[in-house]
Order: sequence, then C-alpha cells, then structure tokens
Amino acid sequence: DTGVSQDPRHKITKRGQNVTFRCDPISEHNRLYWYRQTLGQGPEFLTYFQNEAQLEKSRLLSDRFSAERPKGSFSTLEIQRTEQGDSAMYLCASDRSTNEKLFFGSGTQLSVL
Amino acid sequence: RKEVEQDPGPFNVPEGATVAFNCTYSNSASQSFFWYRQDCRKEPKLLMSVYSSGNEDGRFTAQLNRASQYISLLIRDSKLSDSATYLCVVDNYNQGGKLIFGQGTELSVKP
Repeated sequence: DTGVSQDPRHKITKRGQNVTFRCDPISEHNRLYWYRQTLGQGPEFLTYFQNEAQLEKSRLLSDRFSAERPKGSFSTLEIQRTEQGDSAMYLCASDRSTNEKLFFGSGTQLSVL
Repeated sequence: RKEVEQDPGPFNVPEGATVAFNCTYSNSASQSFFWYRQDCRKEPKLLMSVYSSGNEDGRFTAQLNRASQYISLLIRDSKLSDSATYLCVVDNYNQGGKLIFGQGTELSVKP
C-alpha cells in the first residue's frame, strides 16, 4: 500500500493524558498536512509542512498541540494534557505541490474520556 | 465570515434526480478549487477539480464564477452510490496555499 498511512486508527485516552499520532505520507510528496474533523463539519486545517519545515500553524491550535516532521518524511502530532474537546478525527494528508490532488490517510479517531 | 461556506444539508433526493450544491469563498486571491467526496467514516477523496471555464466528468459538472466567488457542483441522474458528503475546497493562495474545506453538504439518494 503506497497511500498515506496513519497510526493508530483509534485512540481512547483519559483527560489529561498525552497522545501522539503518526503519519507516513506518500513517499514522493514533500507537503504534509494535519486536519481535524468533528461530526457534521468539514476538515479543519491544523498545520502543514513542506519537507521538514513547518510553514503554518492554525491560530485555533493551542500550545498543547505540537507537530514535527524531523526528516521530511513521516510526521507526528502530539496533544498534551488532552481535553474532552480534543475528541475528533485527526486526518493527515499529503501532496507534491499546490494545485495537486491531496491524498488523505484514514485518520486517527481520538476519544478523550 | 467563514472562508468557505456551503449549502446546509442534508439533501434527500430520489434516484434519477438532478441536484446542485453551491459554495462561496471569501479569499479573492484563491487559485485552486475542488470538490471532494467523503463517505461515512471514511477519508475525503478528490471528486473533481474546478476550472474557470467549467468542467464536466460524466454526470458531474462543476462551475466557477470568480467575480461572485462562487462554485457549484451539479449531479445529474443521481445514483444510490452518490450518497455521501460533498466538500467544497479552496486554496488559501496568498496565505501559504493550504486547502480550506467547507463544512460539507450531505446527499442522500433514495430508491
């Protein structure tokens, strides 16, 4: 499978715990995005990378969220001190450049109890 | 004002019907426009790009009106398999080029 892969598919955690998600983009794609989606809403932009550089982070993202892409390949998204409002589907996507088709992973469904 | 706004749903239509979705965007500098489809509990997938001259792909027709900052998607002869959420997507061209998604419009095609 050469698509975008995300791990884990599901994560249940208690409020206050830290969680980390991983995304492996399509290998030749140098741009990687993180989105968050809640029921009945479209994907909401969180942050994106071009190679290893984090080019933008949404103003909606609190300091509890951090993302890395250390070698310009896979990326991790960490949420510290999770809150119930963090419960959502976290989607990773990649593409080669602007105007190119965006490929999504299957997402990580986070439930904070 | 949201950057990308879509018709509220859901749309419930019979098989064979023609249905149209509308979308407006706020960034006049946007250059790229798309419709994505998202099935229940699945990731979004590209349905079609939207070009200035309008474009058609089988039963699907997309239109763009730059002056009005308006995008549409027309589905003719709708099938049961067209049931999904349709997402209008616009690039934020002068602010990094990331793609901004509308909230989506749910379509349910009934027999």
